Amino acid sequence: DGGITQSPKYLFRKEGQNVTLSCEQNLNHDAMYWYRQDPGQGLRLIYYSQIVNDFQKGDIAEGYSVSREKKESFPLTVTSAQKNPTAFYLCASSIVRGQSGANVLTFGAGSRLTVL
Amino acid sequence: AQSVTQPDIHITVSEGASLELRCNYSYGATPYLFWYVQSPGQGLQLLLKYFSGDTLVQGIKGFEAEFKRSQSSFNLRKPSVHWSDAAEYFCAVGAVYSSASKIIFGSGTRLSIRP
Repeated sequence: DGGITQSPKYLFRKEGQNVTLSCEQNLNHDAMYWYRQDPGQGLRLIYYSQIVNDFQKGDIAEGYSVSREKKESFPLTVTSAQKNPTAFYLCASSIVRGQSGANVLTFGAGSRLTVL
Repeated sequence: AQSVTQPDIHITVSEGASLELRCNYSYGATPYLFWYVQSPGQGLQLLLKYFSGDTLVQGIKGFEAEFKRSQSSFNLRKPSVHWSDAAEYFCAVGAVYSSASKIIFGSGTRLSIRP
């Protein structure tokens, strides 16, 4: 079945360490996204990519970095510069803008990052 | 400013009772409206979406939503809830034929089911 796989499900990090969250999709979607979710808040967009080797900052990109070397993969690195990284991170994908259904997001199951 | 408001943070209903979750939006362009559901520790699943046509939209799991342009609302309803409906529900709005990066999510409504 097609879908999005995020790993790891749970991750613990010491302050000052970088960590990378994996996101892989087999939906043949061109666009991929990373969202951060905190309790009582909606989803906030961190980064997105509409095509391989290109990505754009979202609303809260500071302290995060991404790469898009393959269509299927969009890893997110939470750097030591991120002041409050403890959160639930969601990866999503969609078809590209201009096509019917371009707004419909398919989500992975999420990764929970806890900073110790 | 573009925004999505879900006025109810937490709702508890009895199993078998009807449900209505409220959503109001402010959006300059023609809106593309969504409801997503999230079980604890999981990702979001699309329940239904509205772009045009019939303002009453049917979704999965027996849910429906009604778009009311005059009230800028897109409320989610279910005639009879089941214990498995306990989850968090998110309303979202995007622009037609625009990138999903423009989608704005509400802060969510947590639904609890009383046995």
